[in-house]
Amino acid sequence: KAGVTQTPRYLIKTRGQQVTLSCSPISGHRSVSWYQQTPGQGLQFLFEYFSETQRNKGNFPGRFSGRQFSNSRSEMNVSTLELGDSALYLCASSRRGGLVGQNTEAFFGQGTRLTVV
Amino acid sequence: KNEVEQSPQNLTAQEGEFITINCSYSVGISALHWLQQHPGGGIVSLFMLSSGKKKHGRLIATINIQEKHSSLHITASHPRDSAVYICAGGGADGLTFGKGTHLIIQP
Repeated sequence: KAGVTQTPRYLIKTRGQQVTLSCSPISGHRSVSWYQQTPGQGLQFLFEYFSETQRNKGNFPGRFSGRQFSNSRSEMNVSTLELGDSALYLCASSRRGGLVGQNTEAFFGQGTRLTVV
Repeated sequence: KNEVEQSPQNLTAQEGEFITINCSYSVGISALHWLQQHPGGGIVSLFMLSSGKKKHGRLIATINIQEKHSSLHITASHPRDSAVYICAGGGADGLTFGKGTHLIIQP
């Protein structure tokens, strides 16, 4: 069974640009969640999608958005990039319908390393 | 807001030693996860606990719900266990992460 796939693995963007990252969950998993990891703040929850609906959101500005498609694949978008957005962005998929982490194991992808210059 | 505190931040040990990493969490967290992250970034889920104890190979995870405390133990540690170990609490705020323990096992 294929794992969680994130594309691209590496990305370099310029301040002010926007970026879209993609996440394909494990087959049969309907929940996808996104996380940002930086050396200073560690891992932080961005948002979670289930059945194409955002059902939980972390404390990030509106420049960070996402969506989920009917095949459970998810994308996250960051607009007007800032230097501080440089980070490893991870997504995770979960099989069950509960909020990720509460009663269901999260399976993580390899991440997309975004560098903003 | 949920909180997770993890200790120690850094741990260096000799091959074969018994390793313990601790995690305390706040009210509102209903499940505790132990994750492993190798250089390069990918994260592997080791355990999800809401009560008791789980074992997988040389790894053992325990949780005390009353004290809101969990531990990850590694028996007969090996250099390939070198990684960052992260505990995370699952609650209504999604996953809340500890700052991680950077473990180095020297041969």
